[in-house]
Amino acid sequence: EIQLLESGGGLVQPGGSLRLSCAASGFTFSNYAMNWVRQAPGKGLEWVSGTSGSGANTYSADSVKGRFTISRDNSKNTLYLLMNSLRADDTAVYYCAKDRPGDINWFDSWGQGTLVTVSS
Amino acid sequence: ETVLTQSPASLSLSPGDRATLSCRASQSVSNYLAWYQHKPGQAPRLLIYDASNRATGIPARFSGSGSGTDFTLTISSLEPEDFAVYYCQQRSNWPPITFGQGTRLEI
Repeated sequence: EIQLLESGGGLVQPGGSLRLSCAASGFTFSNYAMNWVRQAPGKGLEWVSGTSGSGANTYSADSVKGRFTISRDNSKNTLYLLMNSLRADDTAVYYCAKDRPGDINWFDSWGQGTLVTVSS
Repeated sequence: ETVLTQSPASLSLSPGDRATLSCRASQSVSNYLAWYQHKPGQAPRLLIYDASNRATGIPARFSGSGSGTDFTLTISSLEPEDFAVYYCQQRSNWPPITFGQGTRLEI
């Protein structure tokens, strides 16, 4: 069974930093691109960042470019999101999502999410 | 950036009804469109990819159609568990990957 378990969320002050983790199991992690998607309170889904299976290629939304860094450790089956210079509008539930087999950017498995709250 | 506009914003129906949800793209996405179901406190669930292909384990009452800029998700006969928020998503013109703003399907 595929499992994605996010952790690392919490309350952080504006301008602060946080690192999210997503522990994956039940599939060959290095074979799949992975992504972070967030949902602000009362809002819809927003793609944040993605990385190829090897981690060599990364992509980010303009709203987080230069502040957030996606990475992965395939030896630990773990995806990361390092978030710097956090702002109030970064407050959201952050989900990690796995690509569908044989495809890119169709997200067939998601974690339950971790809540990040940016507030003073 | 490709903007996806979903309509209606909310839809009030009853179990057994037919639901038709729309998604319009600001530029052609070919058939590179997916639909997700999202319930409060749960992970989103992939329903449809490539505009019309059902994902693994998705019941046949869910169907998708369209190409280019206009897409439809149809639920042929609503079950109680189908009441949720539905999002369309495109991967044709990326980055960024974009989602629609969602349609809330309620009883």
